[in-house]
Amino acid sequence: GAVVSQHPSRVICKSGTSVKIECRSLDFQATTMFWYRQFPKQSLMLMATSNEGSKATYEQGVEKDKFLINHASLTLSTLTVTSAHPEDSSFYICSASRTATTGRVYEQYFGPGTRLTVT
Amino acid sequence: GDSVTQMEGPVTLSEEAFLTINCTYTATGYPSLFWYVQYPGEGLQLLLKATKADDKGSNKGFEATYRKETTSFHLEKGSVQVSDSAVYFCALILQGGKLIFGQGTELSVKP
Repeated sequence: GAVVSQHPSRVICKSGTSVKIECRSLDFQATTMFWYRQFPKQSLMLMATSNEGSKATYEQGVEKDKFLINHASLTLSTLTVTSAHPEDSSFYICSASRTATTGRVYEQYFGPGTRLTVT
Repeated sequence: GDSVTQMEGPVTLSEEAFLTINCTYTATGYPSLFWYVQYPGEGLQLLLKATKADDKGSNKGFEATYRKETTSFHLEKGSVQVSDSAVYFCALILQGGKLIFGQGTELSVKP
């Protein structure tokens, strides 16, 4: 149980185009999803937290107009990188978790990641 | 603020050697602590966790004990294998579910 998938696993796009990355929880309802960015040989940097049906909360320094996050259902969140540039090339990882009615957030389950290369 | 510090890598060991990866944290209260493992080109997998002081998390021969007095959660394994080669992340969880990661420690095990 607790499987999270991401699609695509790899994508190459031209500078100036937009790319959408999907994150799905396959066997549980994810009330909260997180999007991370990881540079080579570095740790994960949290970009934003999204709760189903509400706007995402972005971390300081992350451009919300560039990285559009939608969490329209309890099993799907999408990250759209708009007007991508080479500096947006990175490994993007999502995670999903459930939130109890008490507000407690259960552990996060991570997707396999998406390698974005902008040429 | 809350933070996690891990020992610098890369760590290179021979097969069957003993492994320790140090992790210390700074946090308000007593957060749950985690070790995640990342194999090349993949996402993160939860390796083990501990939710309160003196808890010991264990999985696949790896162990870590939540030490409140030293604010540490060191990862250990008695005999590493080549297949253990990966990057290991120590993390704590904040209210609201946000994870704070250490910088990661790369482990390379040679046959």
